[in-house]
Amino acid sequence: GENVEQHPSTLSVQEGDSAVIKCTYSDSASNYFPWYKQELGKRPQLIIDIRSNVGEKKDQRIAVTLNKTAKHFSLHITETQPEDSAVYFCAVNNAGNMLTFGGGTRLMVKP
Amino acid sequence: DTGVSQNPRHKITKRGQNVTFRCDPISEHNRLYWYRQTLGQGPEFLTYFQNEAQLEKSRLLSDRFSAERPKGSFSTLEIQRTEQGDSAMYLCASSLRGGGGDTQYFGPGTRLTVL
Repeated sequence: GENVEQHPSTLSVQEGDSAVIKCTYSDSASNYFPWYKQELGKRPQLIIDIRSNVGEKKDQRIAVTLNKTAKHFSLHITETQPEDSAVYFCAVNNAGNMLTFGGGTRLMVKP
Repeated sequence: DTGVSQNPRHKITKRGQNVTFRCDPISEHNRLYWYRQTLGQGPEFLTYFQNEAQLEKSRLLSDRFSAERPKGSFSTLEIQRTEQGDSAMYLCASSLRGGGGDTQYFGPGTRLTVL
């Protein structure tokens, strides 16, 4: 089955700095790569996603890059703010449209 | 609120009891998914429906777990003879079937505690 590895598991940055989270996956047939943000006790919320026909997508301070050849994709957050502090999960779709999630990255933005 | 809703939000039960959770998807969404999330981990896929058809159920954790979506709208997840290891957050998500991967929107979850 699909294997999704996410790094780092924790990330601490100063407010205003950039944060980068990386994920690798194993199934070359995967074609959809969403990122979710989960605050403590809350539901996972989609923040950005990318499909395999594009290499990069940006939405204000958030961007995702995809390298299908190397089977990895990354989340980039610029100008981080304290409210960006949360756990971020990458995910990959596979047969049956099920999502396989990475282990999560706890991002802490220090004011 | 037009998002995915789940009830109850919390459930405490004793080992050996049966529990049932309900999920109401976003109204126009025809796909519905169940995931389990344990503390510090990402959600783990359990099963999914397209309309009333259960298209994938091999990932259900044991035969004590079952799910239904009888009329293609709301869904229920039942766990029979609960065990302490079943304690987790059970998340529901829904999507509108499309090409190239569907965007899944999650509900708030039902937190199960088995004593």
